[in-house]
Amino acid sequence: GENVEQHPSTLSVQEGDSAVIKCTYSDSASNYFPWYKQELGKRPQLIIDIRSNVGEKKDQRIAVTLNKTAKHFSLHITETQPEDSAVYFCAAAQSNDYKLSFGAGTTVTVRA
Amino acid sequence: ETGVTQTPRHLVMGMTNKKSLKCEQHLGHNAMYWYKQSAKKPLELMFVYSLEERVENNSVPSRFSPECPNSSHLFLHLHTLQPEDSALYLCASSPGTYGHNSPLHFGNGTRLTVT
Repeated sequence: GENVEQHPSTLSVQEGDSAVIKCTYSDSASNYFPWYKQELGKRPQLIIDIRSNVGEKKDQRIAVTLNKTAKHFSLHITETQPEDSAVYFCAAAQSNDYKLSFGAGTTVTVRA
Repeated sequence: ETGVTQTPRHLVMGMTNKKSLKCEQHLGHNAMYWYKQSAKKPLELMFVYSLEERVENNSVPSRFSPECPNSSHLFLHLHTLQPEDSALYLCASSPGTYGHNSPLHFGNGTRLTVT
């Protein structure tokens, strides 16, 4: 089965700086890679996703890159703000498979 | 309004109790899921229903019993649980009849404590 590893487990950044979270996956057949944000006491919410036919996707201050050859993908948050403080989860799946395999999460703290 | 509503938000139960978690989605989605979230661990997929048929049972102990009476409602029946079952149980839905072509929409979860 798919195994997703996520690093770092915790990340503290100064407000305005960038944050980068990296994930690796094991199954070369995986082709869908979403990222979820979970604020304290709240439900996980999709913030961005990427499919294997695309190498990079950007949405305002958030971008995701995918390297299929190396089987890793990354989340980039630029100009971080206090409201970016949350736990971020990466995940991977084949598009015809229910099993969305999650990473263990990264706790991001943005210092004012 | 999240579109996926879970009740109760918090539940404390003894190991001999029987309780049920409820999930309802108002999004017109075809697939519904139960996930277990424990501290510092990846979300664990427990069950998947697509169009009211169970399509995934991820080696979950029989003390957890799912029920999906229709595409909008999902239950998780609990009995003779263990303290290690204490966790946040998340319900989710997705539009498709299979797979993850579309993202999951999660509920706020039920915080379960087994004493």
